[in-house]
Amino acid sequence: AQKITQTQPGMFVQEKEAVTLDCTYDTSDPSYGLFWYKQPSSGEMIFLIYQGSYDQQNATEGRYSLNFQKARKSANLVISASQLGDSAMYFCAMREGTGNQFYFGTGTSLTVIP
Amino acid sequence: DTEVTQTPKHLVMGMTNKKSLKCEQHMGHRAMYWYKQKAKKPPELMFVYSYEKLSINESVPSRFSPECPNSSLLNLHLHALQPEDSALYLCASSQDRSLVQGNTEAFFGQGTRLTVV
Repeated sequence: AQKITQTQPGMFVQEKEAVTLDCTYDTSDPSYGLFWYKQPSSGEMIFLIYQGSYDQQNATEGRYSLNFQKARKSANLVISASQLGDSAMYFCAMREGTGNQFYFGTGTSLTVIP
Repeated sequence: DTEVTQTPKHLVMGMTNKKSLKCEQHMGHRAMYWYKQKAKKPPELMFVYSYEKLSINESVPSRFSPECPNSSLLNLHLHALQPEDSALYLCASSQDRSLVQGNTEAFFGQGTRLTVV
């Protein structure tokens, strides 16, 4: 079974609007971390935000917030006030408590329209 | 310093060549990774090193040979590659899971764009 599922291959959003990128995960480990990365066309993977499985509150980092619904095993990324520079691939990833491996989803290509 | 430095940024090599990709970090991370990424696809894990020892090899062909000479450096030696090996190769590092709980994101380098001709 896929550890991380991203069901939106491509998304479009108007500049200054908010957008939600979906991510669901599958693990039986009670301790895990969830991460979102941004990858512009230049190739570098840029860490955006982290949510721990024991965190009581949703993570926020500037314009990025993570809508963490543990019972549904979902960790959706919300980008507020989209900017043209937000156009990129976005990957959701998980790291389980037991190991060093990061599991990546298939990614969502976000395009911000002026 | 939260940087992972990869060299070279671009590499074109023939199928009979031998070349090496290099990766360096000075964050004190004891877990280091090599990923291969094709266009519009997620990164595919190749190797994981933990405390300079190879801990995960995702059934990578032997024409790719990793090396971790010390805690700051990670190399990927390439020999007799095929055109289908052309891809973006990403190096990453993180705190080793044995050490920390909580936020242990991986930091990535900018990658090496490899073309095999």
